[in-house]
Amino acid sequence: AQSVTQLGSHVSVSEGALVLLRCNYSSSVPPYLFWYVQYPNQGLQLLLKYTSAATLVKGINGFEAEFKKSETSFHLTKPSAHMSDAAEYFCAVSEGYGGSQGNLIFGKGTKLSVKP
Amino acid sequence: NAGVTQTPKFQVLKTGQSMTLQCAQDMNHEYMSWYRQDPGMGLRLIHYSVGAGITDQGEVPNGYNVSRSTTEDFPLRLLSAAPSQTSVYFCASSYMGLRTDTQYFGPGTRLTVL
Repeated sequence: AQSVTQLGSHVSVSEGALVLLRCNYSSSVPPYLFWYVQYPNQGLQLLLKYTSAATLVKGINGFEAEFKKSETSFHLTKPSAHMSDAAEYFCAVSEGYGGSQGNLIFGKGTKLSVKP
Repeated sequence: NAGVTQTPKFQVLKTGQSMTLQCAQDMNHEYMSWYRQDPGMGLRLIHYSVGAGITDQGEVPNGYNVSRSTTEDFPLRLLSAAPSQTSVYFCASSYMGLRTDTQYFGPGTRLTVL
């Protein structure tokens, strides 16, 4: 069965500092992985996704993530944090089987705070 | 395109009451789903549908019913509300429900059961 673990429920960085949000997965099939962002009182918005093409995936708002099969990881990074990046970030893996293949299994989320 | 819309935005129920959370999408997506979000739990799948007339259970289906009579709509029914169903509910849709498809989320319904 597929699962996702996000290390750190809260991460705090200073404006301009590197953002690193960690995600490890477990999957019995080749994984397809997603990062979503949720701004306060809003729905989820796709940041980026890995679908077995390039292992380094670039997304919106300057975020990128690297798929590392040997480490079963898909960490999200951004070189320089902005105040507007403060939000909750969710890593997810698609279920991968038959009619339920599109179902997403989410991690518990990481709340990012950005200090001025 | 309005995308995925949900109504109502907020709802307060008493234990035992029933209600329907509405979800609609105008992107002609075949796949639709309902998740609930609880603090520290991430999002958990309640029910999903891969097309009109086809529904199936997700991880946490107890206490909820769904039906899909049209491609556009996927309502979620709470039969007899319980305090444990206090949560934020999100509807999502994707083109075909394939592993690579992006899911598009609605703005959510915040439900409180007293």
